Amino acid sequence: GENVGLHLPTLSVQEGDNSIINCAYSNSASDYFIWYKQESGKGPQFIIDIRSNMDKRQGQRVTVLLNKTVKHLSLQIAATQPGDSAVYFCAENFGNEKLTFGTGTRLTIIP
Amino acid sequence: DAGVTQSPTHLIKTRGQHVTLRCSPISGHKSVSWYQQVLGQGPQFIFQYYEKEERGRGNFPDRFSARQFPNYSSELNVNALLLGDSALYLCASSTHTDTQYFGPGTRLTVL
Repeated sequence: GENVGLHLPTLSVQEGDNSIINCAYSNSASDYFIWYKQESGKGPQFIIDIRSNMDKRQGQRVTVLLNKTVKHLSLQIAATQPGDSAVYFCAENFGNEKLTFGTGTRLTIIP
Repeated sequence: DAGVTQSPTHLIKTRGQHVTLRCSPISGHKSVSWYQQVLGQGPQFIFQYYEKEERGRGNFPDRFSARQFPNYSSELNVNALLLGDSALYLCASSTHTDTQYFGPGTRLTVL
């Protein structure tokens, strides 16, 4: 498959450990944030989202934290597995359906 | 349930030609958005259509156009192709204000 994100920030994590991926967003008026996972050769896959009136949201093995004061978003993945290896993007939305994506982080799980 | 589908999967064109990419949204979704993803970057917003009307346009030249059909499927057209148009073209569908779900993309190579 194709190699998505050849020059992205990278994060390598031991299998079974927790991963934290960070993202700084640009628009203080953004009211909706989404994390996507993109595997090589595939389209972005929805992981979890959060509205601006929340500061934390949990899903299955994933938690998103939102700090509006410093315009920072993080994605925590618990007990990482080999299948978690991918490029992760945060995206922000401010009142319409246009998503603005960050640069992405490549997560590599070390067996 | 079928997700967002896109065709073709891959496409090779030469400079100056035009191309039409197709997208079928998730059943029940009336909004379709198009994104361009250049290798190593996050997706960039091109267009958004809702109920067959253009609701948003990104910073792309007039060579890019799109339309949405009564069954909510969509086409993206690019005229006078340039080498720099080589990218993964992604289609996403949503209800009007909900999460965008992406298709697998069409890989366009311009020679």
